[in-house]
Amino acid sequence: AQSVTQPDIHITVSEGASLELRCNYSYGATPYLFWYVQSPGQGLQLLLKYFSGDTLVQGIKGFEAEFKRSQSSFNLRKPSVHWSDAAEYFCALRYGNKLVFGAGTILRVKS
Amino acid sequence: DAGVIQSPRHEVTEMGQEVTLRCKPISGHDYLFWYRQTMMRGLELLIYFNNNVPIDDSGMPEDRFSAKMPNASFSTLKIQPSEPRDSAVYFCASSPVGLHEQYFGPGTRLTVT
Repeated sequence: AQSVTQPDIHITVSEGASLELRCNYSYGATPYLFWYVQSPGQGLQLLLKYFSGDTLVQGIKGFEAEFKRSQSSFNLRKPSVHWSDAAEYFCALRYGNKLVFGAGTILRVKS
Repeated sequence: DAGVIQSPRHEVTEMGQEVTLRCKPISGHDYLFWYRQTMMRGLELLIYFNNNVPIDDSGMPEDRFSAKMPNASFSTLKIQPSEPRDSAVYFCASSPVGLHEQYFGPGTRLTVT
């Protein structure tokens, strides 16, 4: 069955440090994958998406993600985190017309 | 474009009352989705529409929940009667045909006391 796993519930990084949020998926076909960000009290905003082609995709706000089929992963990265990046991040898999979301990772940024 | 619009942003009601949540999708989008977000269950898809027609309502928790889309620019999610366990944030999202990502509204935070 299709599923998305985000192993880390919380992550804390220092401002200026690099960030990697993990996402693993289970799906029998080529996946369409997404990362969304949710700031407190806000809706979800699309950061980036992968459909095919280049396995390293660039998104908004300086984020990137790498699709690794052999590891069933789609990890989100940012080279230097800003305090405004503190939010909850969701990885999602498209299944038919639906999105299947991971449980989310809460990012805390310490100064 | 104004994005997906949801109203109200916050709703507090007493158990047993009827609650109606509203959504205006992005103009031109053919798909509309209703989600519920809770701490325990995360983001769950409740129902989605294509061209105003409900396609999959398998996520609707029980008969107390109903959703309609009378036209391309408006949808409602109704809970009658409401219960405390319905307390959650309800999101509406829309998507155009041929595009895979969904665009989310700001959500309605529902509290049932």
